[in-house]
Amino acid sequence: KAGVTQTPRYLIKTRGQQVTLSCSPISGHRSVSWYQQTPGQGLQFLFEYFSETQRNKGNFPGRFSGRQFSNSRSEMNVSTLELGDSALYLCASSPGLGDTGELFFGEGSRLTVL
Amino acid sequence: LAKTTQPISMDSYEGQEVNITCSHNNIATNDYITWYQQFPSQGPRFIIQGYKTKVTNEVASLFIPADRKSSTLSLPRVSLSDTAVYYCLATSGGYNKLIFGAGTRLAVHP
Repeated sequence: KAGVTQTPRYLIKTRGQQVTLSCSPISGHRSVSWYQQTPGQGLQFLFEYFSETQRNKGNFPGRFSGRQFSNSRSEMNVSTLELGDSALYLCASSPGLGDTGELFFGEGSRLTVL
Repeated sequence: LAKTTQPISMDSYEGQEVNITCSHNNIATNDYITWYQQFPSQGPRFIIQGYKTKVTNEVASLFIPADRKSSTLSLPRVSLSDTAVYYCLATSGGYNKLIFGAGTRLAVHP
């Protein structure tokens, strides 16, 4: 079974631009969550989607948004990029309701903001 | 979700057993203890999960005493490839907002 796929793996943007990251969950998984990892703040929860609905949201500004499609694929968008948005963005999937915290992570999208 | 506390770093040698202890004094009744492993520039990987007593899989064992205020991840006979960051988390059913701490950076030496 294929794992969680994230694209692109690496990207470079400049301040003020916007970026869209994509995540394809494991087949059959309906929950997708996003995390940001930086050396200073570690792994931080962004948001979680299930059946195209946002279930949970972390403490990030409104510039960070996401959505989930009917096939469970998800995208996250960061608008008006800032230098501090440079990070590894990780997507994780799980079957869905009733999960106990066993998530399957992708390899991440590394964003560099210049 | 309960806050967890674990050592910042540990060192070991190939072939030794490594035990990483995690404190979670305020763990809730419906929380599980879940451990993840992360290599540089990769996403975390689920290792093991338990609620109480002992759980063992092909990779590790997890010991949780009756009071559930702490837990110990045991890695038998570590190798260089076990060098990674290990995260201890308290997780709840149907709730995938994981709270990661700083983790324990394990270095395995030859």
